[in-house]
Amino acid sequence: QVHLVESGGGVVQPGRSLTLSCAASGFTFNTFDMHWVRQAPGKGLEWVAVIKYDENIYYADSVEGRFTVSRDNSKNTLYLHLNSLTPDDTAIYYCARDQSDAYFDYWGQGTLVTVSS
Amino acid sequence: EIVMTQSPATLSVSPGERATLSCRASHGININLAWYQQRPRQSPRLLIYGASTRATGTPARFSGSGSGTEFTLTISSLQSEDFAVYYCQQYGNRPPWTFGQGTKVEIK
Repeated sequence: QVHLVESGGGVVQPGRSLTLSCAASGFTFNTFDMHWVRQAPGKGLEWVAVIKYDENIYYADSVEGRFTVSRDNSKNTLYLHLNSLTPDDTAIYYCARDQSDAYFDYWGQGTLVTVSS
Repeated sequence: EIVMTQSPATLSVSPGERATLSCRASHGININLAWYQQRPRQSPRLLIYGASTRATGTPARFSGSGSGTEFTLTISSLQSEDFAVYYCQQYGNRPPWTFGQGTKVEIK
């Protein structure tokens, strides 16, 4: 069965960096687009970025230029490198599998990033 | 960017009653809409895609309808496990993929 497991979250100071990982299993990773979605405490869902199976990449305006998404198909792993973090980036970060360049059919359990001095 | 607006923000319903949730898109998205359920302290889970197609494992009491800019999620008879937050998401014009702000279904 499909499994997505995020890791790498933690407490980080404003202006610093962090890298999140999402380990995928149970499907042919290199044939699927993969997304990052975040959820600030007590708030709704916000799409962050997508890396397509062909390595095309798109970002939300709120993170463009600060976050970098990548994938290592040999390790079935998705990454999100977060730079220049601000308190507004505090959130649970979920990875999600894309189905048909459309909706998200599987989600990980999320990893919490807290940006605080 | 397509803005998704859900109503109401909170819906108070008794177990066994019907719940109707609404989602509006700022521009037409055909039927390119999904619904997700998020129970407390859990990840979102896909319920409906294509506005009305139930995802694998979604009980038949959940139904979706609509096209263009107006969409509805109906839960025919609320069970205890259905009390959660529900989000709509459009994929008709992306990037970005955009979500509604959510409707919380709570026990009356």
